[in-house]
Amino acid sequence: DVVMTQSPESLTVSLGEGVTINCKSSQSVLSSSNNKNNLAWYQQKPGQSPKLLISWASIRESGVPDRFSGSGSGTDFTLTISSLQAEDVAVYYCQQYSRIPWTFGQGTKLEIK
Amino acid sequence: QVQLQQSGPGLVKPSQTLSVTCAISGDSVTNNIAAWNWIRQSPSRGLEWLGRTYYRSKWGYDYAGSVSSRMTINVDTANNQFSLQLNSMTPEDMAVYYCARTLSQRGANYFDFWGQGTLVTVSS
Repeated sequence: DVVMTQSPESLTVSLGEGVTINCKSSQSVLSSSNNKNNLAWYQQKPGQSPKLLISWASIRESGVPDRFSGSGSGTDFTLTISSLQAEDVAVYYCQQYSRIPWTFGQGTKLEIK
Repeated sequence: QVQLQQSGPGLVKPSQTLSVTCAISGDSVTNNIAAWNWIRQSPSRGLEWLGRTYYRSKWGYDYAGSVSSRMTINVDTANNQFSLQLNSMTPEDMAVYYCARTLSQRGANYFDFWGQGTLVTVSS
């Protein structure tokens, strides 16, 4: 199975500051067929189901604020929040969809300072 | 807009079978570019993909190795829903169970729509 490792496990950031969450896969998730990275990011708020933020490592879902961005390729990926808002408090997960079984990172808990 | 509505018992006795149903609106379980998935979430195991079904002229199924011997996905086309059955439940199976959609035919195996989740407790 492809193991997804996120860092840090948690972080506390002031409103308006930038946030960087890292995700590393144990194998490359870059598809040779379409040259796309099979990597997604989700946001999960307390008591809610995960919500898809970004697919193909960098494509924002419709309706996701543009302060969220994704980058990276191969095995190393980053989710960036350019200016933290109060509503961004959540746990963030990466997920690879390169090989079954689809696997998730363990999550990064984001809190406000 | 796709909506997934889950139903099922929140309490299962050890050794018994869990059954959770996911009713689909805004899409069809026979959509030949979609796949219909089960995922669970627990403090000890995090988010864990369990399995999927999809229709490509005939039904296909994939299961995670951790549950493949105990899990079955059933499809009810008449009611546009699919269900999870997990046998021989133990306390390790306690989790929130989610259904979710992927558009697998396009290689887009990320989960774009999720059910609301079903909290399952295993206790006698």
